[in-house]
Amino acid sequence: KNQVEQSPQSLIILEGKNCTLQCNYTVSPFSNLRWYKQDTGRGPVSLTIMTFSENTKSNGRYTATLDADTKQSSLHITASQLSDSASYICVVSLNQAGTALIFGKGTTLSVSS
Amino acid sequence: EPEVTQTPSHQVTQMGQEVILRCVPISNHLYFYWYRQILGQKVEFLVSFYNNEISEKSEIFDDQFSVERPDGSNFTLKIRSTKLEDSAMYFCASSEGVLGAYEQYFGPGTRLTVT
Repeated sequence: KNQVEQSPQSLIILEGKNCTLQCNYTVSPFSNLRWYKQDTGRGPVSLTIMTFSENTKSNGRYTATLDADTKQSSLHITASQLSDSASYICVVSLNQAGTALIFGKGTTLSVSS
Repeated sequence: EPEVTQTPSHQVTQMGQEVILRCVPISNHLYFYWYRQILGQKVEFLVSFYNNEISEKSEIFDDQFSVERPDGSNFTLKIRSTKLEDSAMYFCASSEGVLGAYEQYFGPGTRLTVT
């Protein structure tokens, strides 16, 4: 069954600290893996997109890694800010065309001062 | 910066009624999508749409649902005979392409409440 599992479910860190979020998937065929940020009550916003041939992709303080062999990905957030408080969702495309996206449940990150 | 817009932001309807959720995708995008998110759960793919026809749909997207691009700008999701379990946030998204890694841009969502 095509699944995307994320850990931890929730995380609380102090402002300025770094953190790493994990994603394991069992989606096949695999086209690309995305990380989205979703603020409460808003639509998801794309952070990174990686194809199966890419190992890492950065977007400012966000760095995503991908190991297509072990089907694992991580999202590292550097020097966290209060505005980073949100749900971070790992998303894997179900097919080569990349039209149908399979979402994980997300990791809820809370950054406190 | 171009963005996907959705109306209304909140729709309340009675069970059994029909609702139409509206979306205006980004103007040069060719692929359109609907997703839903039941409160506290993950986002789920409903349907993708290209060249005036459905490209792909999930098991959720049964005969109760339909999509349409009635003109050059709007993209709509119709839910017939709504049920309590249809209460959710419905997100529209659009992308410039699909093959490779085209980004899908999401709208702010329509919260549908079925009473």
